[in-house]
Amino acid sequence: NAGVIQTPRHKVTGKGQEATLWCEPISGHSAVFWYRQTIVQGLEFLTYFRNQAPIDDSGMPKERFSAQMPNQSHSTLKIQSTQPQDSAVYLCASSLGTETLYFGSGTRLTVL
Amino acid sequence: QQKVQQSPESLTVSEGAMASLNCTFSDGTSNNFRWYRQHSAKGLEVLVSIFSDGEKEEGRFTAHLNRANLHVSLHIREPQPSDSAVYLCAANTGANTGKLTFGHGTILRVHP
Repeated sequence: NAGVIQTPRHKVTGKGQEATLWCEPISGHSAVFWYRQTIVQGLEFLTYFRNQAPIDDSGMPKERFSAQMPNQSHSTLKIQSTQPQDSAVYLCASSLGTETLYFGSGTRLTVL
Repeated sequence: QQKVQQSPESLTVSEGAMASLNCTFSDGTSNNFRWYRQHSAKGLEVLVSIFSDGEKEEGRFTAHLNRANLHVSLHIREPQPSDSAVYLCAANTGANTGKLTFGHGTILRVHP
């Protein structure tokens, strides 16, 4: 079991560019979560899917952020027109249901 | 919305001495609580999950939940330098969602 896999580990974009972050959940897990971590705000919930369906996106910024789960083996978080304030570590987690979340190592996004 | 406060912000202990970390919640709406550990530039590792008042032990890690006082603690027995990390407590937000609210963390340093 390789755990939750996130790619890339690091991504640097210029202001205004698009960034796509990838997550492969643990095989068999039905729920996938996205969180964002910054020094100031700590860990913040963004969105989650259960059985590939979007359940709660209440933490997603209303503009420029979108998440998808086209199949049970991967999810993507896309940020359009990236801004310096989007710089953060983006963490993906998966779980069997409402049980313990298992986190990936994260993608560190730096927007110049 | 549930808010989570952790104390102390940082803690330094000697190898072998007990380390105790605290977490308080703003309301009693959560029904499960978890402690995670995060080593530098890595993902979160779940340590203990606790769902009812009392104690829950996982190896050298013991969580103690007191819902009436909106408090959960983590005690680390015989800490080692490799336990140096950021410790995060989390509570579920909303029933049966798996969605978590995190504290800002306690930085633990264990000296040999």
